[in-house]
Amino acid sequence: GAVVSQHPSWVICKSGTSVKIECRSLDFQATTMFWYRQFPKQSLMLMATSNEGSKATYEQGVEKDKFLINHASLTLSTLTVTSAHPEDSSFYICSARDPWQGAGNTIYFGEGSWLTVV
Amino acid sequence: GENVEQHPSTLSVQEGDSAVIKCTYSDSASNYFPWYKQELGKRPQLIIDIRSNVGEKKDQRIAVTLNKTAKHFSLHITETQPEDSAVYFCAASPLGYQKVTFGTGTKLQVIP
Repeated sequence: GAVVSQHPSWVICKSGTSVKIECRSLDFQATTMFWYRQFPKQSLMLMATSNEGSKATYEQGVEKDKFLINHASLTLSTLTVTSAHPEDSSFYICSARDPWQGAGNTIYFGEGSWLTVV
Repeated sequence: GENVEQHPSTLSVQEGDSAVIKCTYSDSASNYFPWYKQELGKRPQLIIDIRSNVGEKKDQRIAVTLNKTAKHFSLHITETQPEDSAVYFCAASPLGYQKVTFGTGTKLQVIP
């Protein structure tokens, strides 16, 4: 199946600093990528939908100025957590839609990134 | 928007028994229903999916059924094995649209 790579897998940062997480589709062009947040023992909560070359669409309750999303190319989307605080500590995971698989609805996930803000 | 409910939240079965996880959805426009398996600290992995033009799909020990009229779909795992232990998520998405809504997850424990 298609491969989506996410980096870094683990990151620890100090409160008040910014952290960037990258999501890459390695063998297909992803016109759309998704960013999720997952708290322990909970489901995946969609934060935003990232479309190549345009602004991301944020879900209700997600601060777009805090979670900056950039989708500059068909294979790369980035999530920047700005002025991170301990409550931002979570598992962040991206996914990408392969437009050529499964009538265009097949979603592949990155490995996820554990963010700890101290 | 779409709302996906999933039951049960936890499920324990003896090795070799069957496990069934059920989901309901609210948006009649949804017509793509994937199931994901997530092991602790790892990414969700697609295990099977079904589209609305199909009522049932099977892949070895895993099967999914869909009832569009009732807006519910189910995952069936037969002859369960300890390595099936994980959290399973159902999801729903309208074809042609991009947003996938996940259920709340079911923690499956297969007891050896």
